[in-house]
Amino acid sequence: DGGITQSPKYLFRKEGQNVTLSCEQNLNHDAMYWYRQDPGQGLRLIYYSQIVNDFQKGDIAEGYSVSREKKESFPLTVTSAQKNPTAFYLCASSIMGNTEAFFGQGTRLTVV
Amino acid sequence: EDQVTQSPEALRLQEGESSSLNCSYTVSGLRGLFWYRQDPGKGPEFLFTLYSAGEEKEKERLKATLTKKESFLHITAPKPEDSATYLCAVQARRDDKIIFGKGTRLHILP
Repeated sequence: DGGITQSPKYLFRKEGQNVTLSCEQNLNHDAMYWYRQDPGQGLRLIYYSQIVNDFQKGDIAEGYSVSREKKESFPLTVTSAQKNPTAFYLCASSIMGNTEAFFGQGTRLTVV
Repeated sequence: EDQVTQSPEALRLQEGESSSLNCSYTVSGLRGLFWYRQDPGKGPEFLFTLYSAGEEKEKERLKATLTKKESFLHITAPKPEDSATYLCAVQARRDDKIIFGKGTRLHILP
């Protein structure tokens, strides 16, 4: 079945450690996105990528990094520079142009 | 700056009581407006895409409409299983960013 897979579903890390969240899609979509969602809040855009080896900062990119070496994969690294990393992280993908994005099931990151 | 504002923040309805959710937006060159449904702890589920003012789309008890400044999600005779958070998003032509509102939490009482 085609879809977007985020892993792991739950992730716990100690403060000061970098952590990488995985996002893989087999929909042959060109564009991929990372969002952060805090309780009672909407989705805030962290990074997005429209083609391989290229990506743009969203509204809250500080403390995060991404790579897009393959069309299918768009991993997100939460670095120690991110001051409040505990949140629900959502990855999405879409066909280029005026089309909707489809989402994975999310990764809940807790930093202790 | 592109912006999406949804109202109300939360809405409680009795089963069968129809209502509408509002999404006001400002964007320089709208490529598309999207509605999603999100259940707790899950990723958003796509509902509709609207491209131009005057466009309408329907799915079961939901109907989405679009004007030049806002979109409405009308829910007719809702059931308890329609309880969820409904998210609105816009995509700008100049950079293809998809920007979301904060959502409306809808609770349908049996």
